[in-house]
Parts: sequence; structure tokens; C-alpha cells
Amino acid sequence: NAGVTQTPKFQVLKTGQSMTLQCAQDMNHEYMSWYRQDPGMGLRLIHYSVGAGITDQGEVPNGYNVSRSTTEDFPLRLLSAAPSQTSVYFCASSDRDQIEAFFGQGTRLTVV
Amino acid sequence: AQKITQTQPGMFVQEKEAVTLDCTYDTSDQSYGLFWYKQPSSGEMIFLIYQGSYDEQNATEGRYSLNFQKARKSANLVISASQLGDSAMYFCAMVTSNTGKLIFGQGTTLQVKP
Repeated sequence: NAGVTQTPKFQVLKTGQSMTLQCAQDMNHEYMSWYRQDPGMGLRLIHYSVGAGITDQGEVPNGYNVSRSTTEDFPLRLLSAAPSQTSVYFCASSDRDQIEAFFGQGTRLTVV
Repeated sequence: AQKITQTQPGMFVQEKEAVTLDCTYDTSDQSYGLFWYKQPSSGEMIFLIYQGSYDEQNATEGRYSLNFQKARKSANLVISASQLGDSAMYFCAMVTSNTGKLIFGQGTTLQVKP
């Protein structure tokens, strides 16, 4: 049982490049979310989804796109990377009861 | 709007003593859940405890208990008999049934002294 899998674990991008952070869960969870965590700070919600085909914006959505074509996958796309997007990104999933959210190991992204 | 506030950026506690980490929340929804997560220096997010808004008793999980005061909108985490391995960042979080959004506070860094 893999839980929540994020890839890659580390990534360096040049300003203006695009990339997709992958997130997959094998627990058949309906809810999935993306967060960013900056040094010494809490997790800020970027986008979230309450089911396949349904997404909504969180607290800091600008510069990021998401889609949810399947229950298992919730990729996060950076359209044109900026240094301000240097951060650690976490993906999380939970079932409808939302009693516990399961987190991936995180992706450390550096934009130079 | 949902909001979580943790007012203690850093805390120290002596090994084997109890410590309380503060958390207040704001929501207009009647149905919500409150969580505490631990993030050690290795970076992973570890679920500690959950409290539902309709739960009449405070949640407990081993050495962790959640002091839920609904009228004051507070959900403080109590760690009993602190251990050196408890040194970490601790996050309070909330989800409301209306939105499905799970949001986090700024976190409290706890250091346990031997």
C-alpha cells in the first residue's frame, strides 16, 4: 500500500520553465489537495479537489493549474516558474469523512 | 472564512513534563474537524489527533490529547511526559464539511530539553 506518492522529490527549474508535479494515491480517496510550505511557515493551500472532475482554488492559486481526471491522480502544473515559487510542495488525500489526511513525502522545488 | 491561529512560534519544555500548544480557529460552519500534525526535521507530516465539532469528549491518542473548547473556538494540543523525540514543528489544522478545504496554522516549534 503506497499511500500518497509524489514525484519528483527534488527539482531545479529555470525561471520561465514549466513543469508538472505528480501526485497519486491508491486509497480511493475523494479529497486531494496541494500545499506549499515556505521556510518556517505553515502549509498554504494552493488547489484542492473533492472528486474527479471537480477542483477549486485555495489560498495561493496564482501561477498554478490543476486537473483531476481520475480519482487517483492530481497533478500540479507550474505554467511559467518564478523564483517566488521556490518552496516545498505537499500533496495530501483523505476520504469523505476527512478524519485524517495522508501526505506525500514532499517535493522540494527551486526556481533559479 | 476559515482561519487557524497558532500564537506560539516556539516553545521549550523539559523532558518528562507536559506541554500545551495553543490553537484557535474561526469558522461559521457548524460541522468541522480539527487536527494536529507533527513535522520533524526530516519534513514528513505525521497525523497526531482528530476532533470532530460534534464530539462531546476530548480526543486522546496515547500521550496526546486535544483540549477542545467549542465556545472559545480553541483546540489546544496537550503532550504529556515529553520525550526528546517530540522536538518538532506542530501544526493545527481545520476542515469544514461545507467546503472540504483543509487549512493549517503557522505552526509551533517545540524543543524538548534533556
